[in-house]
Amino acid sequence: ETGVTQSPTHLIKTRGQQVTLRCSSQSGHNTVSWYQQALGQGPQFIFQYYREEENGRGNFPPRFSGLQFPNYSSELNVNALELDDSALYLCASNLGGTGPSTDTQYFGPGTRLTVL
Amino acid sequence: AQSVTQLDSQVPVFEEAPVELRCNYSSSVSVYLFWYVQYPNQGLQLLLKYLSGSTLVKGINGFEAEFNKSQTSFHLRKPSVHISDTAEYFCAVPRMDSSYKLIFGSGTRLLVRP
Repeated sequence: ETGVTQSPTHLIKTRGQQVTLRCSSQSGHNTVSWYQQALGQGPQFIFQYYREEENGRGNFPPRFSGLQFPNYSSELNVNALELDDSALYLCASNLGGTGPSTDTQYFGPGTRLTVL
Repeated sequence: AQSVTQLDSQVPVFEEAPVELRCNYSSSVSVYLFWYVQYPNQGLQLLLKYLSGSTLVKGINGFEAEFNKSQTSFHLRKPSVHISDTAEYFCAVPRMDSSYKLIFGSGTRLLVRP
């Protein structure tokens, strides 16, 4: 139990639709990161938010966007869904600002998105 | 640029046998290294991390890893595996701009047989 929850667990959408995935971080965790894990591959970094501001982005197009809220929840939005967007989407949270010797990143269980 | 290579996509092993999962990294800066485990239908769990100091790092569930700078490797080992260790294992290195923007390898599936 990491204290990081994600909803929904599974989701089916059709090509061209829009989707919002949600993540609830541990209380006090100012940093949330989102990853996409395609079947049979390792997770790929999408972007990170720190205190409600985007703090770095991976190689993903602008139709992937996010929000972070003061209550330690966050969203990943994907517009104009494509078949290749089918994947497990993971969020991860950590305190932020203290460094990896004293800070650990905790992952949620993920949302499985299927695009038909 | 940082990168991680996991050389084996699947490693079958019998219960109570030792196992080594291989990871090689490429990095031009100071290195942090991580191993994560993913059980079926679950998220990622941190097994262990190397930050600095002793090159032998001990983690949870009896796993350990050795940082070898000359060979740019960070192999994961366990002296005796259990059926419950069956899972996907990922090696990761941070991007240059943050310790928490991780670059993952493609994963190694550990399959423990009775």
